[in-house]
Amino acid sequence: EIVMTQSPATLSVSPGERATLSCRASQSVSSKLAWYQQRPGQAPRLLIYGASTRAIGIPARFSGGGSGTEFTLTISSLQSEDFAVYYCQQYNNWPPYTFGQGTKLEIK
Amino acid sequence: QITLKESGPTLVKPTQTLTLTCTFSGFSLSTSGVGVSWIRQPPGKALEWLALIYWDDDKRYSPSLKSRLTITKDTSKNQVVLTMTNMDPVDTATYYCAHRNRAVAEHGFDYWGQGTLVTVSS
Repeated sequence: EIVMTQSPATLSVSPGERATLSCRASQSVSSKLAWYQQRPGQAPRLLIYGASTRAIGIPARFSGGGSGTEFTLTISSLQSEDFAVYYCQQYNNWPPYTFGQGTKLEIK
Repeated sequence: QITLKESGPTLVKPTQTLTLTCTFSGFSLSTSGVGVSWIRQPPGKALEWLALIYWDDDKRYSPSLKSRLTITKDTSKNQVVLTMTNMDPVDTATYYCAHRNRAVAEHGFDYWGQGTLVTVSS
């Protein structure tokens, strides 16, 4: 089973600034990686798949990068609605699909 | 517009079997490449994938839970059912069903239900 590790656990950033979240896989997952946003009390929302392709309706301020074992999610110019928990998910070697433990993005 | 909604008991006793139903609309589970998964999330914790059923009735399970899980579909009713046997308090979680269309978002889950909280307690 591929283990996904996200860092940091909590990231404090001011509105309008840039946030960069990291996700590391225990072995290569090629570009088979997705990112999700989860606001309190809501279901996750798909942001990125294929490591860098935005899902339908996702604003351009969200961008994904990386391949192999190292991935990043960058949110440029943070909006109030972006403060949430973010999860990465690999789908290169499954079952099972595996998720990271999440990064909480909070207001500084 | 794609929607999914989970239904089932909110409270089950230890050792009982949980049956959850995902009722969906806006897509057909007979379309090539489409799948529906179950994913759970214990309170305050991360997401855990459980099972997936494909349009062609192929099924995949989490290896660690495979012996306890069964996923089925009723295409005519637009429903996917998950059963989990021998429930334990550690299975307390919000259970989500989610849509996946390989042609749209690879293996990303692009539509989710609202989730249903299942508590396991005597």
